[in-house]
Amino acid sequence: GIQVEQSPPDLILQEGANSTLRCNFSDSVNNLQWFHQNPWGQLINLFYIPSGTKQNGRLSATTVATERYSLLYISSSQTTDSGVYFCAVELTGGGNKLTFGTGTQLKVEL
Amino acid sequence: GAVVSQHPSRVICKSGTSVKIECRSLDFQATTMFWYRQFPKQSLMLMATSNEGSKATYEQGVEKDKFLINHASLTLSTLTVTSAHPEDSSFYICSAKVSGPNTEAFFGQGTRLTVV
Repeated sequence: GIQVEQSPPDLILQEGANSTLRCNFSDSVNNLQWFHQNPWGQLINLFYIPSGTKQNGRLSATTVATERYSLLYISSSQTTDSGVYFCAVELTGGGNKLTFGTGTQLKVEL
Repeated sequence: GAVVSQHPSRVICKSGTSVKIECRSLDFQATTMFWYRQFPKQSLMLMATSNEGSKATYEQGVEKDKFLINHASLTLSTLTVTSAHPEDSSFYICSAKVSGPNTEAFFGQGTRLTVV
């Protein structure tokens, strides 16, 4: 099946720092989404980004589908950004289901 | 974005009993819903795809007789964990998509099941 790898697995930042999270996938995809899982387990939709670049406040994302990767940029990080970030992909011809990546655990410290 | 509501958020049950978890799409119709399971410090693993009016499609290794899925309407899917055992303790999350190709998925709040 499709492999979805995220890096780095763990990241510690000082408040105000910038970071880039990466998502690599092994096959052609129709859809890619980024999520932030908060400490209570809720998945917050960040981006629906099968291709191209999008920005939302301090966050932006870029997907290069032909090269099978996506990047999530976090600028001026805040302690509330802490949590786990997942990318998830929908395999072309895979029946609309999302396969989740391995996740990046982010901790932002004062 | 669209809202998906999952209930209950937490449940503790005794071994051998059954537990039902509900997943509702509140402001859109979802012909397809998905059920995931997440163990501590791990990613989400898809258990099954729930299709309105038809049988669910289970992922390899998921026992369909233990995890009963019913998708009775375009806004409601239920997951019943039957004859629960401590190893079934986990975080269960549902997802729903607006009907149509290449659409965004939205997730419920999750249900933390503890079997004692």
